[in-house]
Amino acid sequence: DAKTTQPPSMDCAEGRAANLPCNHSTISGNEYVYWYRQIHSQGPQYIIHGLKNNETNEMASLIITEDRKSSTLILPHATLRDTAVYYCIARIYNQGGKLIFGQGTELSVKP
Amino acid sequence: DTEVTQTPKHLVMGMTNKKSLKCEQHMGHRAMYWYKQKAKKPPELMFVYSYEKLSINESVPSRFSPECPNSSLLNLHLHALQPEDSALYLCASSPRSLSSYEQYFGPGTRLTVT
Repeated sequence: DAKTTQPPSMDCAEGRAANLPCNHSTISGNEYVYWYRQIHSQGPQYIIHGLKNNETNEMASLIITEDRKSSTLILPHATLRDTAVYYCIARIYNQGGKLIFGQGTELSVKP
Repeated sequence: DTEVTQTPKHLVMGMTNKKSLKCEQHMGHRAMYWYKQKAKKPPELMFVYSYEKLSINESVPSRFSPECPNSSLLNLHLHALQPEDSALYLCASSPRSLSSYEQYFGPGTRLTVT
């Protein structure tokens, strides 16, 4: 799997958009970009994933650059409940389901 | 039902004990996973089961013994553990063991080895 690089921590004001960057400059054409988050002492929660196109669901939007070397997860209106560690993961298509977590970004949403 | 359940929530065991962790899902998923997470670290994959067969073992010591008795149930048998094995053990499931599917995680079992 391609290595991903994320800032270790970020702050965001409640109600504002949280934009979490991820670099994956060595990503290959068959690697998906996945985002998970882990709220303190809970199991990781799936947020969104994409291959080439931008994606949106009820939780977030995923913007992948045209060269696929980086992506941004956008939480449009952050709430205090969005405080968590956010993990960006690049997954090779046919590698038996492996999910290899990096260090992640600790997002603190402040009132 | 989109839930993965894990029991027990907390477990304290001595180094000579034998215990088991249990994981269950009723989503019809055919891939199940065990992860280990030490404090302030990301989860690390231990085992992958696909269609009740062990498909990936990430060089886990033999004192951890996984078992998948049916498509809904995954166990992790523990024997002669060391204090450094204290961690949060997470179970996950997905429809298939392919990277196009997301994994659903349980809340974890917090294990303390004394």
